[in-house]
Amino acid sequence: EIALTQSPDFQSVTPKGKVTITCRASQSIGSSLHWYQQKPGQSPKLLIKYASQSISGVPSRFSGSGSGTDFTLTINSLEVEDAATYYCHQSSSFPLTFGPGTIVDIE
Amino acid sequence: QVQLQESGPGLVKPSETLSLTCGVSGGPIDSYYWSWIRQPPGKGLEWIGYVYQDGTTSYKPSIKSRVSMAVDRSRKHFSLKLSSVTAADTAVYYCAGGGGWPFEYWSPGTQVTVSS
Repeated sequence: EIALTQSPDFQSVTPKGKVTITCRASQSIGSSLHWYQQKPGQSPKLLIKYASQSISGVPSRFSGSGSGTDFTLTINSLEVEDAATYYCHQSSSFPLTFGPGTIVDIE
Repeated sequence: QVQLQESGPGLVKPSETLSLTCGVSGGPIDSYYWSWIRQPPGKGLEWIGYVYQDGTTSYKPSIKSRVSMAVDRSRKHFSLKLSSVTAADTAVYYCAGGGGWPFEYWSPGTQVTVSS
């Protein structure tokens, strides 16, 4: 089973600030890494697929990069509505796994 | 736009079987991989398994012995059965899917509590 770790666990940022979340896989997964946003009481929402591919309807301030074992989600010019928990997810091999999540709070 | 909606009991007794159904609307059920994912209170996401249109399944090994999934194409729904439940199975259960991976579509989530 491929384990995913995320850092930091928690980040507090002011509006218009920049957030960088890292996801590390326990073995190489190519670009089979995806990012979701989950707000309290809601289901997760797909933000980025295959490491860096954008999703229709997702604001352009969300971007992803990386390959192999190290990946990054960047949120530029943070807005109040971006307060949420962010999860990475790998689809390189079964069982599919998720990272533990990173909580982003707005100061 | 594909929409998913779970249905099933919100309370299950220990040692009994949890049964949930996910209805698919606004799009086809064919050619999509349909998964069940759960989230224990205050915790992260756990993939349980998937079922494909032809009935092919894949389950998380640690739970495989207790899980069964099926798809009913005529009624446009797919199902989850989890046997011998314990308090550790208490979670919000989501159904989710897409044309492959990742999960493009998600249900709102349904709370299932295991308690006598």
